[in-house]
Amino acid sequence: AQSVTQPDIHITVSEGASLELRCNYSYGATPYLFWYVQSPGQGLQLLLKYFSGDTLVQGIKGFEAEFKRSQSSFNLRKPSVHWSDAAEYFCAVGAGIQAGTALIFGKGTTLSVSS
Amino acid sequence: SQTIHQWPATLVQPVGSPLSLECTVEGTSNPNLYWYRQAAGRGLQLLFYSVGIGQISSEVPQNLSASRPQDRQFILSSKKLLLSDSGFYLCAWTSWISGNTIYFGEGSWLTVV
Repeated sequence: AQSVTQPDIHITVSEGASLELRCNYSYGATPYLFWYVQSPGQGLQLLLKYFSGDTLVQGIKGFEAEFKRSQSSFNLRKPSVHWSDAAEYFCAVGAGIQAGTALIFGKGTTLSVSS
Repeated sequence: SQTIHQWPATLVQPVGSPLSLECTVEGTSNPNLYWYRQAAGRGLQLLFYSVGIGQISSEVPQNLSASRPQDRQFILSSKKLLLSDSGFYLCAWTSWISGNTIYFGEGSWLTVV
């Protein structure tokens, strides 16, 4: 079955500390991988995506993610967290528009930033 | 550029009343359109998706229905709302112009009382 697992429901990091949010997926085909961020009461904003090529992708707001096929993972990282990064983060996997299917989302990880 | 509009932004409806949430996309043609629901403390649940006019795929049996009367318009409806329909509803789109990336609207908060 196709699925996305975000093992951490809630993470708290200190401002300035590094961050890694985990994402594991199960998908039959070559996956398209995404990370989205959601501030309270808002829609989802795309942080970054991986389709092919270099397995380390850069996104907005200083985030990056690394695709590891052998581990079926697509972890999100940031070297130094800012208080404004506090939000909910969603990992998603899909097959691409040609497949006519939708993204499958993980249940999300809530990030809190302490001062 | 492409934009997605979703309304109303907030809605408080009594149990048993009808529902209509509307979503339109501008700046692209023949998009795939999606309705997701986000209930409190949960992730995103895909409700419906559409690859063309009149083509609706339902992912979860429920009290809701969707329609796509025009290429860039997607409507989420209910004839009689239940308390369990409360949540945050998100419309989303993708098309050839977005390069396989799904973009979301700002969402609609529905509270059924």
